[in-house]
Amino acid sequence: QKEVEQNSGPLSVPEGAIASLNCTYSDRGSQSFFWYRQYSGKSPELIMSIYSNGDKEDGRFTAQLNKASQYVSLLIRDSQPSDSATYLCAVKILNAGNMLTFGGGTRLMVKP
Amino acid sequence: KAGVTQTPRYLIKTRGQQVTLSCSPISGHRSVSWYQQTPGQGLQFLFEYFSETQRNKGNFPGRFSGRQFSNSRSEMNVSTLELGDSALYLCASSLWGDTEAFFGQGTRLTVV
Repeated sequence: QKEVEQNSGPLSVPEGAIASLNCTYSDRGSQSFFWYRQYSGKSPELIMSIYSNGDKEDGRFTAQLNKASQYVSLLIRDSQPSDSATYLCAVKILNAGNMLTFGGGTRLMVKP
Repeated sequence: KAGVTQTPRYLIKTRGQQVTLSCSPISGHRSVSWYQQTPGQGLQFLFEYFSETQRNKGNFPGRFSGRQFSNSRSEMNVSTLELGDSALYLCASSLWGDTEAFFGQGTRLTVV
């Protein structure tokens, strides 16, 4: 079983809709959670970080964390075609320095 | 503020050769991590350096090695290259401890 799981997609949403991306993790020592966006042929770009249970909003993006359920999600409101990319969920485990464990990524397609 | 700089951007090497990749972190960042990204395995952690010391190591053979200099710049080396080493190699820079990581543009290595 992979430590960080994501649905590979593609997740297709119409322009202007809310895109919901999900991630589950297996290590209960996980303490920091990150969402990266990766365009084809480019490197990952950090878009959100979340450290405590609840919601964290930044512009059109909202990250949600539920440590009891070992679940983290990313909501993108008013999705734009430029949001079409692969979204990577990453987790840091306590006392593991800056080592990130990544999920396989979810490919999002926003259709005009 | 300059981002993470990786050189070279592209490399083509022959099986059996060795290669050295370079990473200059964001100014003031002391932690540098290296990752390998392939279509089949996704993003996998190679190692992390902090203050010139390797702090964590992923599950890769000893052919993969790295080091960090006093100015926080880091290099990774792969010896006796194999076809399966063809990948995008990414460097991530963090301020210190458990903080957000920012990726460089990556080095695309092709082994023929």
